[in-house]
Amino acid sequence: GQQLNQSPQSMFIQEGEDVSMNCTSSSIFNTWLWYKQDPGEGPVLLIALYKAGELTSNGRLTAQFGITRKDSFLNISASIPSDVGIYFCAGQLKANRDDKIIFGKGTRLHILP
Amino acid sequence: NAGVTQTPKFQVLKTGQSMTLQCAQDMNHEYMSWYRQDPGMGLRLIHYSVGAGITDQGEVPNGYNVSRSTTEDFPLRLLSAAPSQTSVYFCASNLSGEQGNTEAFFGQGTRLTVV
Repeated sequence: GQQLNQSPQSMFIQEGEDVSMNCTSSSIFNTWLWYKQDPGEGPVLLIALYKAGELTSNGRLTAQFGITRKDSFLNISASIPSDVGIYFCAGQLKANRDDKIIFGKGTRLHILP
Repeated sequence: NAGVTQTPKFQVLKTGQSMTLQCAQDMNHEYMSWYRQDPGMGLRLIHYSVGAGITDQGEVPNGYNVSRSTTEDFPLRLLSAAPSQTSVYFCASNLSGEQGNTEAFFGQGTRLTVV
């Protein structure tokens, strides 16, 4: 089945540093999504990408939909303490009515004091 | 607009017991799904539905049943709970491609412990 490889699994950074994480797949997706999950909460959508090559920003977050449609990255600039959490990439194929969303295993972001 | 509502938030079951996790959405989304989240495993799809009366299996369907009698509700049933089903369960809904954007909206989760 379709699988997403998300890396890194975890990151330990200093406040103010930039962060980069990515997802790759052996399958082509029509949509890439990036979510953040805070402790005890459900994932919340950060950025949605719908076109190959698309580069989208949301405040300090920037994400890109890879040209091959098999990868995506998320960058966070000038990290702050509230950026701590788990970040998930997700791909969606949208074949016929099958709109399954496949999730990566997540990148856990830690910010060192 | 409540979004996706899951109940209960916490549940402890004994092995062999059955229960139903409730999920309701008020956004008129056609597509609903159930995931389980385990440490290091990310979100794994259990079952999903592309519309009322239609359900299908995801990646880890064994031990779970679903039904979709209305657009709003998508309950998840554990027929005979096992310790391996201890997990955090998330329900999500999204518009299908025909209706527009397809971002999934998640509920707050149900933390289930089977002893």
